[in-house]
Amino acid sequence: QVQLQESGPGLVKPSETLSLTCSVSGTSISSYYWSWIRQPPGKGLEWIAYIYYSVETNYNPSLKSRVTLSIDKSKNYLSLRLRSVTAADTAVYYCARVSSKYGANTDWGQGTLVTVSS
Amino acid sequence: SYVLTQPPSVSVAPGETARITCGGNNIGSKSVHWYQQKPGQAPLLVISYDRDRPSGIPDRIFGSNSGNTATLTISGVEAGDEADYYCQVWDSSSDHWVFGGGTKLTVL
Repeated sequence: QVQLQESGPGLVKPSETLSLTCSVSGTSISSYYWSWIRQPPGKGLEWIAYIYYSVETNYNPSLKSRVTLSIDKSKNYLSLRLRSVTAADTAVYYCARVSSKYGANTDWGQGTLVTVSS
Repeated sequence: SYVLTQPPSVSVAPGETARITCGGNNIGSKSVHWYQQKPGQAPLLVISYDRDRPSGIPDRIFGSNSGNTATLTISGVEAGDEADYYCQVWDSSSDHWVFGGGTKLTVL
């Protein structure tokens, strides 16, 4: 059974960089697409980006200039970096396994809340 | 950019049928995925590629997609179905994913 676990600091200061990791167990990270999706408190889901085996990445155009995704195959985890954060980046951040680039997110982590505040 | 429109809320009595719509320009030509999210939980995929149910999803939940509207139908609604529901597509013209704004299903 696939399990995903997000981790990272719960509090980030404005203008700094938000860094999250998603540890994957139960499957090889090289075999699937993986995505990051966020949800501001009380609001809907927003797609951030997806990555496939460090070969293909695709970013939400509204975030593309600030986001970098990467994969560590040896440790079976993926990473998200979001630069120059503001309060608008406060959200629960989810990582998910994706069936294909067409976007069915089949397995999700439990999410991690990141608050941007000084 | 491609836009998906969902009603903010839908209310039904227990045992009745809930229909949650997801509107988009020619959405019938795209594959639609549906997620259920209960308070404090991660989303759960309930329908993929318009009408496929993942393992464990009851067959009283089904999806359809045609023209400018995709629909998630839940028959015999139960209290446990009360949740937020989101539709999602891959927009081929932009090569990006899009989520609908979500619909809160209330069981009266």
